Amino acid sequence: KAGVTQTPRYLIKTRGQQVTLSCSPISGHRSVSWYQQTPGQGLQFLFEYFSETQRNKGNFPGRFSGRQFSNSRSEMNVSTLELGDSALYLCASSFPPIRAGAGNEQFFGPGTRLTVL
Amino acid sequence: AQKVTQAQTEISVVEKEDVTLDCVYETRDTTYYLFWYKQPPSGELVFLIRRNSFDEQNEISGRYSWNFQKSTSSFNFTITASQVVDSAVYFCAPSRGNAGKSTFGDGTTLTVKP
Repeated sequence: KAGVTQTPRYLIKTRGQQVTLSCSPISGHRSVSWYQQTPGQGLQFLFEYFSETQRNKGNFPGRFSGRQFSNSRSEMNVSTLELGDSALYLCASSFPPIRAGAGNEQFFGPGTRLTVL
Repeated sequence: AQKVTQAQTEISVVEKEDVTLDCVYETRDTTYYLFWYKQPPSGELVFLIRRNSFDEQNEISGRYSWNFQKSTSSFNFTITASQVVDSAVYFCAPSRGNAGKSTFGDGTTLTVKP
């Protein structure tokens, strides 16, 4: 079974630009989450999508947005890039829980390394 | 509010030593899930173990074992007979029932020397 894939793997942008990152979950997984990882802030939750709907959102400004398609693939977009947006962006997918509230483990992709100059 | 603490920033051991990684999760929730993930130098997070808050039975899986004590909010993870390939950053990641939104600790960097 193929794992979570993320494209591109590396990206260099300049301040003020916008960027779109893509994530393809493991086949059958309908929950896709995005995390930002930086040396200073660690791993921080951005948002989660399930069945094309944003189910949870972290504490990030509105410049960060995402969406999920009917095939569960997800994209996240960052507009008006700032230097502080330089980070490793990780996508994770999980299988829908058998019952509401049940916790299933997440499977992570290799990440997209974004550098903002 | 929930708080996850991994007090150990860095641990260094010699190969074949046992090592325990500590995690404390403070929450008022009665039901939650605790995950441990490993992030090797390659960068990809790998799921290791999951525990439910309502099951305090300690378990062993190969060289991994974990000790969960709800009374002290601790969820410790032990690697027996460590190997160089175990060198990585280990994250404790509690979830309030929705694994899609996990709160990650700051991580513990484990270095296993040959």
